[in-house]
Amino acid sequence: GAGVSQTPSNKVTEKGKYVELRCDPISGHTALYWYRQSLGQGPEFLIYFQGTGAADDSGLPNDRFFAVRPEGSVSTLKIQRTERGDSAVYLCASSPGTSGYHEQYFGPGTRLTVT
Amino acid sequence: TQLLEQSPQFLSIQEGENLTVYCNSSSVFSSLQWYRQEPGEGPVLLVTVVTGGEVKKLKRLTFQFGDARKDSSLHITAAQPGDTGLYLCRGAQKLVFGQGTRLTINP
Repeated sequence: GAGVSQTPSNKVTEKGKYVELRCDPISGHTALYWYRQSLGQGPEFLIYFQGTGAADDSGLPNDRFFAVRPEGSVSTLKIQRTERGDSAVYLCASSPGTSGYHEQYFGPGTRLTVT
Repeated sequence: TQLLEQSPQFLSIQEGENLTVYCNSSSVFSSLQWYRQEPGEGPVLLVTVVTGGEVKKLKRLTFQFGDARKDSSLHITAAQPGDTGLYLCRGAQKLVFGQGTRLTINP
């Protein structure tokens, strides 16, 4: 069956530009998570959605980062005025629920490079 | 604040050896998960431990959840090159991962 997909797989952008990263979760999964992973580190939580609403956005580093999930399925992570420090792999995961017992299914990530 | 501390950060051993990696916290977790991540891919769930003192086995991998549910260990017996990867622990009620243990098994 189809897993979590993320597009693009790679994105190179110039400092100051705007980028959008897309996540297609597994069909029927109500919870969707965004993480950021720097080289050699574990995933850093950014935001998660339960349905259409952002249930916890405490991990977003600043107001340049924003995410939406308007129909409770596909989600877009938006980064304004990109900075070189935003360079990382952005991972999306979905799960059938938000309980800690639920497995999170991860996509392959989008590698963002800000030059 | 790093809620989950994993150790060692890096481990490189020969095929056939045994190893243990650790995940420690000052917080109590209702459950804890271990994931493995390979280069260019997202993490994949290995196991969820729920009960303090619980031991779960997955082929050559043995997972233990501490009695106080603040720590966990992963033991690999007779490591194989296919075990190479980044091993991550994740606490349940906090949406955080440890920084991972990067394991390399040399043929």
